[in-house]
Amino acid sequence: SAVISQKPSRDICQRGTSLTIQCQVDSQVTMMFWYRQQPGQSLTLIATANQGSEATYESGFVIDKFPISRPNLTFSTLTVSNLSPEDSSIYLCSARAFSGAETQYFGPGTRLLVL
Amino acid sequence: KQEVTQIPAALSVPEGENLVLNCSFTDSAIYNLQWFRQDPGKGLTSLLLIQSSQREQTSGRLNASLDKSSGRSTLYIAASQPGDSATYLCAVQPSSGNTPLVFGKGTRLSVIA
Repeated sequence: SAVISQKPSRDICQRGTSLTIQCQVDSQVTMMFWYRQQPGQSLTLIATANQGSEATYESGFVIDKFPISRPNLTFSTLTVSNLSPEDSSIYLCSARAFSGAETQYFGPGTRLLVL
Repeated sequence: KQEVTQIPAALSVPEGENLVLNCSFTDSAIYNLQWFRQDPGKGLTSLLLIQSSQREQTSGRLNASLDKSSGRSTLYIAASQPGDSATYLCAVQPSSGNTPLVFGKGTRLSVIA
């Protein structure tokens, strides 16, 4: 199994600023993903973080707003830029470890409140 | 486009009951199906993963079944406990490799002591 940690666990930010979330996996994984979960909703995929290249974004999400880095097989960052109250959500890092079953694991989430 | 539906959206049962959560998907060509648990304000915990070639998986009081041809999966929880209270999410992986999971909206379970 893979254990995923995220920093920060929560933050309160002012409108117009940016927040960078770090995701660390305790083992090398094939794929890393970033999700958003708005209050009372299910998960929405933001992007797939690709090692050493640009992330693959889902419809409705753009690199200028959600820049993502993945410099190696165990670490990724998501930045949420130019924050607005609508960005208040839980942001979840996820990783898929090829263990023969391709189980997907999730971090504990980062709870963001934008004032 | 694959869509995943979970019924019911919410469920409240007394402690000790056996219960079934349902998940359906529109495209039967899946690689695997995974059940997750999410506690309020927390991340997701993987409960069970069923490969497309499998019919069921068991872990403790949990049993997940898969009927690919009919596009259905069930999560059976035996002898429910208040600690089982959480949101249960079903997700399918459409194919191997780079494809992201497709999630249902979840079933919010409350087990009353």
